[in-house]
Amino acid sequence: SQKIEQNSEALNIQEGKTATLTCNYTNYSPAYLQWYRQDPGRGPVFLLLIRENEKEKRKERLKVTFDTTLKQSLFHITASQPADSATYLCALDMANDYKLSFGAGTTVTVRA
Amino acid sequence: NAGVTQTPKFQVLKTGQSMTLQCAQDMNHEYMSWYRQDPGMGLRLIHYSVGAGITDQGEVPNGYNVSRSTTEDFPLRLLSAAPSQTSVYFCASSGTDLGGYTFGSGTRLTVV
Repeated sequence: SQKIEQNSEALNIQEGKTATLTCNYTNYSPAYLQWYRQDPGRGPVFLLLIRENEKEKRKERLKVTFDTTLKQSLFHITASQPADSATYLCALDMANDYKLSFGAGTTVTVRA
Repeated sequence: NAGVTQTPKFQVLKTGQSMTLQCAQDMNHEYMSWYRQDPGMGLRLIHYSVGAGITDQGEVPNGYNVSRSTTEDFPLRLLSAAPSQTSVYFCASSGTDLGGYTFGSGTRLTVV
């Protein structure tokens, strides 16, 4: 079965630095990959989607890469701020049927 | 524009009781899903729907029923509550534009 691993449960970084999160998956070749942000006690919020034929996607201070050969996505937060502190989830739609599977998430804490 | 509305926000049930978690969206989205979120396990898909009248099972469907009589509503029924169903439940919806899923604020359910 499909397995999605976000290989760091927690990431602590200094304000202004770049946070890099990893999402690895096995067995399938998804048509696209999504990243979400979740704050405590709230539902996840959609951030970015990257398709299998796209190498990189940017949105403001966020950058996502997608390497289908390595079966890996990297999520970067540049010039990080304390307001970026949250849990970040990657999600895959294996069969392009809008049935999303999620990783367990990485909790990012940005120190002022 | 309310997005995805879930009720109730909190619920305590006794073992064996049944109840329905309500979910409504006002974005005319075709796709709707129910997830449960447990510490360390991430979001797990319970049931999903690709349109009115069409539902299918996700990863952890046992003990839950769904129906989709309208585009807007997607209730989740717990048939006979068990302590293992103590969790936070999220409803989510998506259109066909790959704009990501919109999540509700969640229902925190405790079964005693």
